Amino acid sequence: DAGVTQSPTHLIKTRGQQVTLRCSPKSGHDTVSWYQQALGQGPQFIFQYYEEEERQRGNFPDRFSGHQFPNYSSELNVNALLLGDSALYLCASSFGGQGEETQYFGPGTRLLVL
Amino acid sequence: KQEVTQIPAALSVPEGENLVLNCSFTDSAIYNLQWFRQDPGKGLTSLLLIQSSQREQTSGRLNASLDKSSGRSTLYIAASQPGDSATYLCAVRPTNTNAGKSTFGDGTTLTVKP
Repeated sequence: DAGVTQSPTHLIKTRGQQVTLRCSPKSGHDTVSWYQQALGQGPQFIFQYYEEEERQRGNFPDRFSGHQFPNYSSELNVNALLLGDSALYLCASSFGGQGEETQYFGPGTRLLVL
Repeated sequence: KQEVTQIPAALSVPEGENLVLNCSFTDSAIYNLQWFRQDPGKGLTSLLLIQSSQREQTSGRLNASLDKSSGRSTLYIAASQPGDSATYLCAVRPTNTNAGKSTFGDGTTLTVKP
């Protein structure tokens, strides 16, 4: 049973460019959440997708957008990259119910903006 | 707004010691609290999840406790080993949301010396 997978593992971009990160949830999960983790800090919630719609959003600008596909995989898009967008981007999957579910995290994508 | 604090930011102990990591949160209206482990440059691995109605959870050498009224949780690690060296993060899930929108602390980086 594959866990949460993310691609690519590392990425280098320049300011102003656009980037797309990808996530496949753990088998049986239908909800994907994205987090940004700056060096030395805890993850910050970006948004969550469920049933192909953005269900919740944290305090991130509209430059951050996403998508969820019918197979529950998800993409995170960041436009007009800034130096401050350099971080580890984590994807977490869970089951969409209101039960006692835990989140399972992927290995992350390390983004460096030059 | 929920705030999660983990003190100390770093901890170094000799192998074999028992130790306690602390997590405090400002809003006691939580659904659950989860402890994670993160190795350098890697994703998060779930260690223990405590529901708001529970007082503690145990897994092997790990024991996590929760005191909602005081806004505190502790992670107890017995007989520490060099392999326990990592950053430990706690995350609080609010009562009125689902699993995704968790608030994380910045973590405690643990070094266990042989």
